Amino acid sequence: DAKTTQPPSMDCAEGRAANLPCNHSTISGNEYVYWYRQIHSQGPQYIIHGLKNNETNEMASLIITEDRKSSTLILPHATLRDTAVYYCIVRVDNQFYFGTGTSLTVIP
Amino acid sequence: DADVTQTPRNRITKTGKRIMLECSQTKGHDRMYWYRQDPGLGLRLIYYSFDVKDINKGEISDGYSVSRQAQAKFSLSLESAIPNQTALYFCATSEGWNTDTQYFGPGTRLTVL
Repeated sequence: DAKTTQPPSMDCAEGRAANLPCNHSTISGNEYVYWYRQIHSQGPQYIIHGLKNNETNEMASLIITEDRKSSTLILPHATLRDTAVYYCIVRVDNQFYFGTGTSLTVIP
Repeated sequence: DADVTQTPRNRITKTGKRIMLECSQTKGHDRMYWYRQDPGLGLRLIYYSFDVKDINKGEISDGYSVSRQAQAKFSLSLESAIPNQTALYFCATSEGWNTDTQYFGPGTRLTVL
């Protein structure tokens, strides 16, 4: 069973906010949600993680719903270099479970 | 210098050959991982190690073995390579504290003919 569900693709205009949704309805109370991105076939790059509260760092913001069944990654001002596949990941029993991710294309 | 390095970066081999992929890290992390990625799919965990004496199977360990030679080194072996092991392989490390964020190497592209 998929641990996370994401839309397969999204477009975003350059300079606009990119909002990437993720469903993780089976998440347990102490499991973190992580977001990574992968540009071409490079190694995945860590973006942000969260448990219950919303989080923000220099790359992005993470909004987690109160019931923790879904979250949204926000890239506040998307640039062309943000074009990548974005993975929403849940860690279960010490293992990261990647879904198939969302391919984000930032359009000039 | 990169914190997590993988060798080789590309490898083409034949069915039945033994192959070893190596991973080294300078992050000082105790935990190391091997993943494979097939085209259009996310990463899947093969093996992970929480310290030199601790090795665990992941989601897809059949056909693979690993060796943790030191804190900084973790090798993945294919004893007898087969074509459906053609994939992109990634090594990762984590420090094991609290949230256990993983940091990935650049990947090894393996083709089995």
